Amino acid sequence: QSALTQPASVSGSPGQSITISCTGTRSDVGGYNYVSWHQQYPGKAPKLMIYEVTNRPSGVSNRFSGSKSGNTASLTISGLQTEDEADYYCSSYTASSTLVFGTGTKVTVL
Amino acid sequence: EVQLLESGGGLVQPGGSLRLSCAASGFTFSSYAMSWVRQAPGKGLEWVSAISGNGGATYYADSVKGRFTISRDTSKNTLFLQMNSLGAEDTAVYYCAKLGQWFGAGQFDHWGQGTLVTVSS
Repeated sequence: QSALTQPASVSGSPGQSITISCTGTRSDVGGYNYVSWHQQYPGKAPKLMIYEVTNRPSGVSNRFSGSKSGNTASLTISGLQTEDEADYYCSSYTASSTLVFGTGTKVTVL
Repeated sequence: EVQLLESGGGLVQPGGSLRLSCAASGFTFSSYAMSWVRQAPGKGLEWVSAISGNGGATYYADSVKGRFTISRDTSKNTLFLQMNSLGAEDTAVYYCAKLGQWFGAGQFDHWGQGTLVTVSS
């Protein structure tokens, strides 16, 4: 159960768009449309931002969008705002009937 | 309003045991899968275990299989995690999370505030 691979950090200026990748294998990300994305501020519990690759829970800004191509899922934040500065984690269902998280990405708003 | 309140964390010696609890409210507890997720100090999220709504199916990460047991009491709307043979690598904040009706969708739609488990002599 190796963690999914994410870039350690991504940065952007206010108003720009950034994309965070989440790379797995065909036994997890590539095999199922069960990829979720979570936002976490320091010292706080995570918050669900995207589920089943592209779906946004009620209350989550439409500036957040998800997609997937092959074994890589992506989270795009458009119109970057200072409040988006946080850690982001992807997660996926796996062929072993388990869940796995990504390594995490720190988003910095310049 | 969905609320998840963890308890039971603390300091435990290597090789020891601890039982975490998560009191749930604001939703029909038996209709949803539940999960435990942990985060070691300064590290990322790690999925630990999940259980189906009726408690009939349980799932574990390889790192805890055989040592941890997840269970739920629907009469008390409470989720549990029995942790045995604890080692330093189990030191983490443990979060209780509500999933959707099927755990595999990974729809962690609500999280507790976490409880800290420290394994040290």
